[in-house]
Amino acid sequence: DAGVTQSPTHLIKTRGQQVTLRCSPKSGHDTVSWYQQALGQGPQFIFQYYEEEERQRGNFPDRFSGHQFPNYSSELNVNALLLGDSALYLCASSLGQGQTQYFGPGTRLLVL
Amino acid sequence: QQQVKQSPQSLIVQKGGISIINCAYENTAFDYFPWYQQFPGKGPALLIAIRPDVSEKKEGRFTISFNKSAKQFSLHIMDSQPGDSATYFCAALSSGNTPLVFGKGTRLSVIA
Repeated sequence: DAGVTQSPTHLIKTRGQQVTLRCSPKSGHDTVSWYQQALGQGPQFIFQYYEEEERQRGNFPDRFSGHQFPNYSSELNVNALLLGDSALYLCASSLGQGQTQYFGPGTRLLVL
Repeated sequence: QQQVKQSPQSLIVQKGGISIINCAYENTAFDYFPWYQQFPGKGPALLIAIRPDVSEKKEGRFTISFNKSAKQFSLHIMDSQPGDSATYFCAALSSGNTPLVFGKGTRLSVIA
């Protein structure tokens, strides 16, 4: 049973650039949520996608956007990168906006 | 405003001892309370979760105690082992309303 997968594992960008992170949900899951985890902090909710639409959004600027594809996989895009965007970006999947969420290994983004 | 407050920030326990981590919440609409375990460089892994209609849930060496009137819940790790050394996060959500919100985490070290 394939768990949640994310790519790439690590990424280095410079300020002002744009980045795209990818997530494939656990087999049988149709909902994807994205989180940002700064060093030494708990994950912070960015947004959730279900049925290819953004259903909920946390307190993140419009520079953060996403997409969900018909196969339930998802992308997180961040424009105009800031140094403060350096973090571990986590994807979690669940079934039908259900409560139980399973996390992927994350993408470590470093902005220089 | 931090919706879930977690303590202690760090914890050192002798091998074989009991590790106890506490969380408190304010939003009475929360109806799902999971605990996640995270190792360095990895994504959070779901350990155990509880709903407010029960006061205790046990899975192996892990037990959640839930006090609805006090708006508190705790994780007990019995017979703690060095392999349990990780960061633990409590979390909460309100079904169909609020996304998953995390505590700031507790770094547990189990020493022999």
